[in-house]
Amino acid sequence: EDQVTQSPEALRLQEGESSSLNCSYTVSGLRGLFWYRQDPGKGPEFLFTLYSAGEEKEKERLKATLTKKESFLHITAPKPEDSATYLCAVQAAGNTGKLIFGQGTTLQVKP
Amino acid sequence: DAGITQSPRHKVTETGTPVTLRCHQTENHRYMYWYRQDPGHGLRLIHYSYGVKDTDKGEVSDGYSVSRSKTEDFLLTLESATSSQTSVYFCAISGREGPAGELFFGEGSRLTVL
Repeated sequence: EDQVTQSPEALRLQEGESSSLNCSYTVSGLRGLFWYRQDPGKGPEFLFTLYSAGEEKEKERLKATLTKKESFLHITAPKPEDSATYLCAVQAAGNTGKLIFGQGTTLQVKP
Repeated sequence: DAGITQSPRHKVTETGTPVTLRCHQTENHRYMYWYRQDPGHGLRLIHYSYGVKDTDKGEVSDGYSVSRSKTEDFLLTLESATSSQTSVYFCAISGREGPAGELFFGEGSRLTVL
């Protein structure tokens, strides 16, 4: 069964304190792994797509990496505006756009 | 920002009543999705559409039906709402032509079934 597990569930950081979020997955043929950001009361916002092990993507203070079993979202020197819930999702090969989402990691960055 | 509008944004209804949620897009994308989001479960796919009058079930489709008579509109119907269908419902479209995981989501519709 395709499955996505994110850890930790919640993370509190001081401004400038770098850390990483984990997304472990089990899927029958990975077509893509996706990271989203969700602010309270809003829909998820697409961040990155990773397709194969070893691939990396960066956007401002965020960097996503991928191995054969997990993905990491590294946050470097975070700011309070980075506070949000970060969602990971996988798409299995042959699936017509259907995603399996993890439960998310809620990040709080304190000034 | 992708042009996706959900309506209503908030609705309170009683058990046993029918409810229809509407998703409207201005991007002319072929693929549209309905997800529900619940604490402890994350986002789960209810139904999706790959074209006008072409729909398929997701992982939690029981109790829900969908219709797509125009490219821009995707309707989600709860024929007889139950308390277990209290949730936040999100519509999404693919970010490019064709199925992809780069989805763009609407703002959500919060449904409470009493």
